[in-house]
Amino acid sequence: DAVMTQSPLSLPVTLGQPASISCRSSQSLVHSDGNTYLNWFQQRPGQSPRRLIYQVSNRDSGVPDRFSGSGSGTDFTLKISRVEAEVVGVYYCMQGTHWPRWTFGQGTKVEI
Amino acid sequence: EVQLVESGGGLVQPGGSLRLSCSASGFTFSGYALSWVRQAPGKGLEYVSAITSNGGSTHYADSVKGRFIISRDNSKNTLYLQMSSLRLEDTAVYYCVLATGTGWGQGTLVTVSS
Repeated sequence: DAVMTQSPLSLPVTLGQPASISCRSSQSLVHSDGNTYLNWFQQRPGQSPRRLIYQVSNRDSGVPDRFSGSGSGTDFTLKISRVEAEVVGVYYCMQGTHWPRWTFGQGTKVEI
Repeated sequence: EVQLVESGGGLVQPGGSLRLSCSASGFTFSGYALSWVRQAPGKGLEYVSAITSNGGSTHYADSVKGRFIISRDNSKNTLYLQMSSLRLEDTAVYYCVLATGTGWGQGTLVTVSS
């Protein structure tokens, strides 16, 4: 299975400042179809996870453009250009390349 | 709008059984593979099981293989997870998830305790 490793696991942030989370896979996430199925999820306190980013860099509908994803192969990054209060929660990377064996990162807790 | 509503969670003793259901609406249920993902209290997300759109193929995490059975009834737009030989470590919120990752239910809590 592809092991997903996130860093940092805890991220204190400052309002208005940028922030970033790293995610590394133990295997290439390039699918045989040429796509890379690396997703980012946000889980706010008491809520279900919500997908923010799919296929490395595509924002889901309604996701502010302050969130962006990048990377390739085995190394990926979620960036928040300007932190706002709504970002508080836990962020997970997840690989869907090796479906059905989804694997998730450990989660990064973002606090202001 | 995609809606997934889980039910069937509760308190069960070790070794017991429970069946979870996930009722779906807002999309063509029979056209999508589905998964179960769980989250132990205060912990991260863990893949549990998946099923193809027609139910013809199923898959399980090693941690539940031989104990859990995933199934679906496309005529009822419902996904199931039959859990048996439950262990303390199966305690978690169980989420029903579209294989695209876009739709998650609110989760149902399963507590395994004596």
